[in-house]
Amino acid sequence: DTAVSQTPKYLVTQMGNDKSIKCEQNLGHDTMYWYKQDSKKFLKIMFSYNNKELIINETVPNRFSPKSPDKAHLNLHINSLELGDSAVYFCASSLQTTGGNQPQHFGDGTRLSIL
Amino acid sequence: QQQVKQSPQSLIVQKGGIPIINCAYENTAFDYFPWYQQFPGKGPALLIAIRPDVSEKKEGRFTISFNKSAKQFSLHIMDSQPGDSATYFCAALSWGGKLIFGQGTELSVKP
Repeated sequence: DTAVSQTPKYLVTQMGNDKSIKCEQNLGHDTMYWYKQDSKKFLKIMFSYNNKELIINETVPNRFSPKSPDKAHLNLHINSLELGDSAVYFCASSLQTTGGNQPQHFGDGTRLSIL
Repeated sequence: QQQVKQSPQSLIVQKGGIPIINCAYENTAFDYFPWYQQFPGKGPALLIAIRPDVSEKKEGRFTISFNKSAKQFSLHIMDSQPGDSATYFCAALSWGGKLIFGQGTELSVKP
């Protein structure tokens, strides 16, 4: 019973292409996030949505566009992929955005490789 | 001010040893400090967390020590096992649910 699931797990594509990563959570959480983990394993938040509303947009290039059709889904669309976009992208969710008792649950990531 | 600094970058201990990972922060507005454990090919998983009004929290073999005045906190793993070998991240919770992560510590526990 996967709590936060991402697809695909691996994505290999050419520079300049457009791709999407999907995320779904079955925890009944209100808030969802996208994080990027670089080759040195550094994790940085990109976006968060609370009940389909954008809360955090962490100075990510416009080529990245999150879309939340409902509070259980947060997809990430990336236009004109660049070499520097190669990374592991993690989706996460939490019950609320505030309050320390709302841990964030992470998916297993999507490894994006740009050729 | 939004940074969390973590050390060491890597750590090797023998089975049964007590690895200690340290983190420091600047922003006093942070009010929740979780530790995450990540195995290869998996997402980070919450291990243990603490609020700044508590100086120590223990869950099983994992203990967080928190020094509010020094703005430092650390993770101790008692009786470490080879299965504890993973990357550990400290983090601090900022506005809007934004987790600010440390740089990570790759722990290897030798049998």
